[in-house]
Amino acid sequence: NAGVTQTPKFQVLKTGQSMTLQCAQDMNHEYMSWYRQDPGMGLRLIHYSVGAGITDQGEVPNGYNVSRSTTEDFPLRLLSAAPSQTSVYFCASSRTAGGPDTQYFGPGTRLTVL
Amino acid sequence: GESVGLHLPTLSVQEGDNSIINCAYSNSASDYFIWYKQESGKGPQFIIDIRSNMDKRQGQRVTVLLNKTVKHLSLQIAATQPGDSAVYFCAEILNNAGNMLTFGGGTRLMVKP
Repeated sequence: NAGVTQTPKFQVLKTGQSMTLQCAQDMNHEYMSWYRQDPGMGLRLIHYSVGAGITDQGEVPNGYNVSRSTTEDFPLRLLSAAPSQTSVYFCASSRTAGGPDTQYFGPGTRLTVL
Repeated sequence: GESVGLHLPTLSVQEGDNSIINCAYSNSASDYFIWYKQESGKGPQFIIDIRSNMDKRQGQRVTVLLNKTVKHLSLQIAATQPGDSAVYFCAEILNNAGNMLTFGGGTRLMVKP
């Protein structure tokens, strides 16, 4: 198993541009989530999904959209990037959605918005 | 490159010594706690977890202690090795919150050879 994979590893955007951060897992996990990590802080939950077709907001959802059309993939979309979205983004998954369950994290995407 | 900031609390220990990393949590409704290790440029890696009905749980070279009276969690690493150098985060899940993790601020562990 490749585990949780994320692409791209690095990305630079200009203010107002849009892009999609990709996340995939090959473990048939029900639960997937997106976090952002800012300097000196722990991770904060953006959006999560308890299964295909089901998504919900986390602690800091504004400026981000998600969808879960398949069990494997959970892309994160920035519709109009802002400098405040400069951060490192981590995708995570866990086997069950009912919780609590161990979450496994991807390697991260470092995003800079100019 | 660094994936976390430069202003984290830092614990510096000698190789071979034991390390104790502390975490305070605020929500008495949390029923599950996890310690993660994050190396530079990588995602958090699960270390050990504990449920709120337990006081102590041991893994390989690691022990987590939970004191619900003072809302305190600690991670003890025995015989600390250079490979243990990383940032350590505690995280909690509230009752009925599914899998939603709330992370603490992190502690940087530096192991001196």
